[in-house]
Amino acid sequence: GQSLEQPSEVTAVEGAIVQINCTYQTSGFYGLSWYQQHDGGAPTFLSYNGLDGLEETGRFSSFLSRSDSYGYLLLQELQMKDSASYFCAVRDPGDSSYKLIFGSGTRLLVRP
Amino acid sequence: DSGVTQTPKHLITATGQRVTLRCSPRSGDLSVYWYQQSLDQGLQFLIQYYNGEERAKGNILERFSAQQFPDLHSELNLSSLELGDSALYFCASSARLGPRRGSGELFFGEGSRLTVL
Repeated sequence: GQSLEQPSEVTAVEGAIVQINCTYQTSGFYGLSWYQQHDGGAPTFLSYNGLDGLEETGRFSSFLSRSDSYGYLLLQELQMKDSASYFCAVRDPGDSSYKLIFGSGTRLLVRP
Repeated sequence: DSGVTQTPKHLITATGQRVTLRCSPRSGDLSVYWYQQSLDQGLQFLIQYYNGEERAKGNILERFSAQQFPDLHSELNLSSLELGDSALYFCASSARLGPRRGSGELFFGEGSRLTVL
């Protein structure tokens, strides 16, 4: 089966940098995805890592180490609007459906 | 706007009742996924359809069922509702099975918030 672990909550100050970690256990691996969800809103795709290393998209970066089964999402120059929940996710190859399995999410609170 | 449409946005009903949630995927997308999100919880996978056929099942209760129609829209039926069924129900879609190669992106609707009293 697949399992993902993330911290439940992180607090940071506006303008700072925050890192949200994700460790995973999967029977096969097809990359790590990150999603953002504001309260009551739809999850929206942020970033994807299929290979080791860093992917950068504006203020957001995501890192993957397949040998460590570990990834993180890095948010720079934090803004109040970044307060949201962040989910890591992996594809489940077990039954050839390739559905996404999500972690339990990290709630980020950005303080002024 | 993801292009995925879910109705209704909000639904309040009583225990023991039955409801139907509807999802229209993005134009051309063949896969539809249903996820349940209880208060302050993660996204729990319920069921996936691909081009009209059930493709994968998660921890979906026997009281719940779904189908995908020839026009590719999908419906999630929840029956004998219990208080614990109160949650946000999200539909997501993708062109094929899972996110496209080299991407982890699924397109989510705005969800249907179900409240069971």
